[in-house]
Amino acid sequence: GENVEQHPSTLSVQEGDSAVIKCTYSDSASNYFPWYKQELGKRPQLIIDIRSNVGEKKDQRIAVTLNKTAKHFSLHITETQPEDSAVYFCAASIPYKYIFGTGTRLKVLA
Amino acid sequence: NAGVTQTPKFQVLKTGQSMTLQCAQDMNHNSMYWYRQDPGMGLRLIYYSASEGTTDKGEVPNGYNVSRLNKREFSLRLESAAPSQTSVYFCASKPPGQPNTGELFFGEGSRLTVL
Repeated sequence: GENVEQHPSTLSVQEGDSAVIKCTYSDSASNYFPWYKQELGKRPQLIIDIRSNVGEKKDQRIAVTLNKTAKHFSLHITETQPEDSAVYFCAASIPYKYIFGTGTRLKVLA
Repeated sequence: NAGVTQTPKFQVLKTGQSMTLQCAQDMNHNSMYWYRQDPGMGLRLIYYSASEGTTDKGEVPNGYNVSRLNKREFSLRLESAAPSQTSVYFCASKPPGQPNTGELFFGEGSRLTVL
């Protein structure tokens, strides 16, 4: 079955620096890769997604890149701010199923 | 619209007791999901329902049963609770469209402790 690996498990950055979170997936049939942000005690919420026919997508300070050949995709956050502190999950989809990575706890230090 | 509503929000059970987690969505979504979240393990899919009348196993279905009661409601049942089922449970739904794209909308979560 589909497996999604996510690294690192924790990441601390200084405010204003960039943060990068990486994921790999196993099922070559996956063609949709969303990223979710979960603040402490809250529900996960979608922040950005990418489809397999696109190599990169940006939305203000966040971007996602996809390398289908290597089965890698990454989340990039630039100019980090304290409100970016949260747990981030990547996911890969196969029909009707979304398989999540184990999460990255991002801490932005003021 | 309330979105995805889960009940109860908190529950404490003794080993061997049974309980049902309820989930309802008012967004006319077709697909519904149950995930569990444990520290360091991320979100793991327990069961899902691609459409009304169908249910399928996810990554960790053992010890659970589900019912898709109608288009709005998808319940998760623990027949004989075990301490290993202590977790936060999230229900989610997805709008109609392509089967493997689209945003998941999550409920607020249900924190279950099994003693």
